[in-house]
Amino acid sequence: GNSVTQMEGPVTLSEEAFLTINCTYTATGYPSLFWYVQYPGEGLQLLLKATKADDKGSNKGFEATYRKETTSFHLEKGSVQVSDSAVYFCALSGDTGNQFYFGTGTSLTVIP
Amino acid sequence: NAGVTQTPKFRVLKTGQSMTLLCAQDMNHEYMYWYRQDPGMGLRLIHYSVGEGTTAKGEVPDGYNVSRLKKQNFLLGLESAAPSQTSVYFCASSSSARASGRDNEQFFGPGTRLTVL
Repeated sequence: GNSVTQMEGPVTLSEEAFLTINCTYTATGYPSLFWYVQYPGEGLQLLLKATKADDKGSNKGFEATYRKETTSFHLEKGSVQVSDSAVYFCALSGDTGNQFYFGTGTSLTVIP
Repeated sequence: NAGVTQTPKFRVLKTGQSMTLLCAQDMNHEYMYWYRQDPGMGLRLIHYSVGEGTTAKGEVPDGYNVSRLKKQNFLLGLESAAPSQTSVYFCASSSSARASGRDNEQFFGPGTRLTVL
C-alpha cells in the first residue's frame, strides 16, 4: 500500500540555519510527491511538488528531489527565517490520482 | 475566487448531538475530500468524492456520513457526536487526475475546529 514517513519534530532552529526534514515513502507504481505547509490557524498550502523520479521541486527557497532509488523526498532550505515557522507535511498521490497520503507533519520553529 | 471555504469555523457540541459541516469550492474541481487532523497523527482521510453524486470511504469513516449533491459542495455529517470526534476538520478539493495529469494538487479550506463535550 501507500504510506509516507517523515521525521518527527518538533524542530527548533536559529535564523539562517540549514534545514532538512526527512521524508520517505512506500508506494505502488509511480506516485507524485508533495510538500505542504501549514501556518498557525490556517489550512494546508502546497509548497512544492515533483511528479517523476529525479525531478526537483522548489519554491520560496525550499527544495526537494524525488529519489526513486531511496524512496525519499527530503525537504531542504539553506537559510531559514522566522517566517518559515510552521508545520510541514510530506504527501504522495498514488497512481489513480484520487487519494493523497500524508505524513504526520513536522513542526518547525525558527528563533531569531 | 474564494477557493475552498468551510462553515462553521468553530463549534462545540454535546455528546449525542448532530451537526453538518459544509465545504464549498468554486474551482470546478471534480474531487473533494474530508480529513481530520489530530495531534501526532497528521491528516487522516474520512471520506472523499470523485464526482457529483458519488462518495467513498477513506481511512477513518466510522461515525461520519457525507453527501455530494452538487459538484461544488461536500457535506460532512455527524449523526451522534462523540468526544473522540473532537478534532480539526479540513476539506480539500482537486481536479481529476485525467484532467490535470498526475500533477493534481489538493487545495485546502481553513478548517473547522470541533469540540465534543
